[in-house]
Amino acid sequence: DGGITQSPKYLFRKEGQNVTLSCEQNLNHDAMYWYRQDPGQGLRLIYYSQIVNDFQKGDIAEGYSVSREKKESFPLTVTSAQKNPTAFYLCASSEQGWDTDTQYFGPGTRLTVL
Amino acid sequence: DQQVKQNSPSLSVQEGRISILNCDYTNSMFDYFLWYKKYPAEGPTFLISISSIKDKNEDGRFTVFLNKSAKHLSLHIVPSQPGDSAVYFCAASRGAGGTSYGKLTFGQGTILTVHP
Repeated sequence: DGGITQSPKYLFRKEGQNVTLSCEQNLNHDAMYWYRQDPGQGLRLIYYSQIVNDFQKGDIAEGYSVSREKKESFPLTVTSAQKNPTAFYLCASSEQGWDTDTQYFGPGTRLTVL
Repeated sequence: DQQVKQNSPSLSVQEGRISILNCDYTNSMFDYFLWYKKYPAEGPTFLISISSIKDKNEDGRFTVFLNKSAKHLSLHIVPSQPGDSAVYFCAASRGAGGTSYGKLTFGQGTILTVHP
């Protein structure tokens, strides 16, 4: 059963702590993405990776970091430098990262920073 | 600067009727457009897409129309069903030659409610 998993579904952290969100896919996709959704807004791209060991900043990368050591995994770290980290985080993947590739999304992680 | 806009935050439709969701864009470099459907606390699911070389694409009850001169696209759902109630996002991407990557720019979303 192929798909994208994100864990955990809900995450609570104290202000000033770093937190890492997990994203795993078994679709054999080359490209992976991290988006953030805030109420009343569309999804905004944080980071993307077209291939293992390579990643690029998206529109709102400040305060976030990623790694892509394995094809199936693309973890996102929300650092204490991110000014407004409370949001719904979505991971996606696509076959090769071309603009006509459909992106498939995971179920999301809701992060609340107290 | 919002490059993709969905100006209607919500839409309410009776079951069996047509739902029309609209989306406008400002960047003339966009050449591929998608619609996603999203339930609360879940990830978006892909519905339908259209390339800028076409003006219409149909898949079952879903049809997307693209008007390039007006920089406008719309999603028609016919007939609407209560299970279609969700948030609908339009998204756009642009080719950049051989090094294109799939960066999507999303609209704010429209909440569709289909009443039985």
